[in-house]
Amino acid sequence: DVVMTQTPVSLPVSLGGQASISCRSSQSLVHSNGNTYLHWYLQKPGQSPQLLIYRVSNRFSGVPDRFSGSGSGTDFTLKISRVEPEDLGDYYCLQSTHFPPTFGSGTKLEIK
Amino acid sequence: QVTLKESGPGILQPSQALSLTCTFSGFSLSTYGMRVSWIRQPSGKGLEWLATIDWDDDKYYNPSLKSRLTVSKDTSNNQAFLKITSMDSADTATYYCAWSCGAHGDFDYWGQGVMVTVSS
Repeated sequence: DVVMTQTPVSLPVSLGGQASISCRSSQSLVHSNGNTYLHWYLQKPGQSPQLLIYRVSNRFSGVPDRFSGSGSGTDFTLKISRVEPEDLGDYYCLQSTHFPPTFGSGTKLEIK
Repeated sequence: QVTLKESGPGILQPSQALSLTCTFSGFSLSTYGMRVSWIRQPSGKGLEWLATIDWDDDKYYNPSLKSRLTVSKDTSNNQAFLKITSMDSADTATYYCAWSCGAHGDFDYWGQGVMVTVSS
């Protein structure tokens, strides 16, 4: 299975500040069709995960432009600018290039 | 608008089989490309993909659990099902169903989850 390594485990941020989360895969996530199937989710406390970014850098419907994704190959980043209280929770990356799909272990975004 | 909702027994004893139902709306599981997946999350821990069933009744299972998993669907009633045999305390978790479109799809929409506890 592809191992997804997320860092940091915990990320204290100030409201209005910027956060950056890294996700690295144990093998390239570039599919033979040229697409890269790396996605980001936010799980708010007591809720189910919600899709933020799909295929590296595409914001899902309704996701504010404060969220941006980047990266290629095995190295990916989620950036959150102007952090708001509603952004707090656990962030997960997911790869669906290789079978089986696998998630990162999560990053907890919390108030500094 | 896609919505999904899981239902199940809540608590069961070790060695019993778990049966979960995902009731959904906003799409048909007979439409080309549609998929429903099952994902679980032990309390305070990360996410684990379990299985997927697609519009063409193709089924995909996590190799680590494949011998214990069965997915199925009832297209006419907009439901998908997951069965896990030989449940153990390690299977205690919140179980989610989620919708995606196409192979390699992300899980765009998730249900609220159902908590399942395995305890004697």
